[in-house]
Amino acid sequence: GQSLEQPSEVTAVEGAIVQINCTYQTSGFYGLSWYQQHDGGAPTFLSYNALDGLEETGRFSSFLSRSDSYGYLLLQELQMKDSASYFCAVRDKTGANNLFFGTGTRLTVIP
Amino acid sequence: DAGVIQSPRHEVTEMGQEVTLRCKPISGHDYLFWYRQTMMRGLELLIYFNNNVPIDDSGMPEDRFSAKMPNASFSTLKIQPSEPRDSAVYFCASRRTSGEFGDTQYFGPGTRLTVL
Repeated sequence: GQSLEQPSEVTAVEGAIVQINCTYQTSGFYGLSWYQQHDGGAPTFLSYNALDGLEETGRFSSFLSRSDSYGYLLLQELQMKDSASYFCAVRDKTGANNLFFGTGTRLTVIP
Repeated sequence: DAGVIQSPRHEVTEMGQEVTLRCKPISGHDYLFWYRQTMMRGLELLIYFNNNVPIDDSGMPEDRFSAKMPNASFSTLKIQPSEPRDSAVYFCASRRTSGEFGDTQYFGPGTRLTVL
């Protein structure tokens, strides 16, 4: 089956940089996705990595190492509005078209 | 684009009653997913459809749950009879077969269900 491990909670200071790690085990790997969810809101797509390396989108970057079954989400110049839960996700299994989500990392940004 | 639309946004019902949740996916999306989110179990996939056909319903907790997709623009998730342990936020999501970002799913705002 699939498994995803990410820290349950992270706290960081406004303006700082924070990295949220995700390690995965999956029977068929297609790519690693990241979603953001604010309290009371819906998950929203942030980034997707299919190949090794770093993908940058504004203040957010995502990294993937397929050989290490590892990825991370990097948030720079943290803002209070970045306080949310962040989920990594992989395709459930070979041939499937649904995503398996990790349990999420709750990021709290403090002044 | 209006995004994924779900109704109702909030539902409070009593144990034993039938509950129907509704979803309109993004136009042109051929996959539709139903999720349930709780503090204890996180985000769980219940069932998903491709071109209106159910593909995997292994996440449906029991026979009290059923889902239909009569056409490309509408799906329902029904719970009958409802129980207090069904209280959760239910999300509908959709995606296209091939998108710029792989498996990107677009989530609706969710339905917060409370069963008393």
